[in-house]
Amino acid sequence: GNSVTQMEGPVTLSEEAFLTINCTYTATGYPSLFWYVQYPGEGLQLLLKATKADDKGSNKGFEAIYRKETTSFHLEKGSVQVSDSAVYFCAPRADISNFGNEKLTFGTGTRLTIIP
Amino acid sequence: NAGVTQTPKFQVLKTGQSMTLQCAQDMNHEYMSWYRQDPGMGLRLIHYSVGAGITDQGEVPNGYNVSRSTTEDFPLRLLSAAPSQTSVYFCASTPDRGANYGYTFGSGTRLTVV
Repeated sequence: GNSVTQMEGPVTLSEEAFLTINCTYTATGYPSLFWYVQYPGEGLQLLLKATKADDKGSNKGFEAIYRKETTSFHLEKGSVQVSDSAVYFCAPRADISNFGNEKLTFGTGTRLTIIP
Repeated sequence: NAGVTQTPKFQVLKTGQSMTLQCAQDMNHEYMSWYRQDPGMGLRLIHYSVGAGITDQGEVPNGYNVSRSTTEDFPLRLLSAAPSQTSVYFCASTPDRGANYGYTFGSGTRLTVV
């Protein structure tokens, strides 16, 4: 099955700082990789994805590169804003057509707080 | 396009009461699932469905039932509420089993059992 290890939070940064949230995974087959974001009081939203090795996912200034050799998908942003304060979840998803039913699992997430 | 709609948004139950959390999606997604989110525990899968008429258990299924009579609806039933079921519940859907699709989440139901 799939599993993910994320950087322990909480992470507190000043506005305009550089952000990295580490994510390493194990998955069946050749997974696609996703980052989700959860703002306070809301459900998770898809932030970005990468579907094959060396792909870069990007959205809202966030980026992550699919590193197959290190099984990693670290989230980065060059200059964070207060509005980026949220919980971030990394989630691999394998094509389970040949592997039975899927049980997508999420880790505990990484809570990010940006200070003005 | 409404996406995934969950009702109610908030609910307080007494121990032993039963209730149904509603989830509906209008995207014709094949796959739907229920998660609970607790502080320090992340998201844990309760039940999921790969299509109408097909359901299966996730990590923490005890105390919950589901059914999938239509593609659109995937209700979660609490049979006899317990304080341990106090949590925030999220419903999510995705088009199919293919790995390239992400999940769409509802806005959640915050349940308190007293």
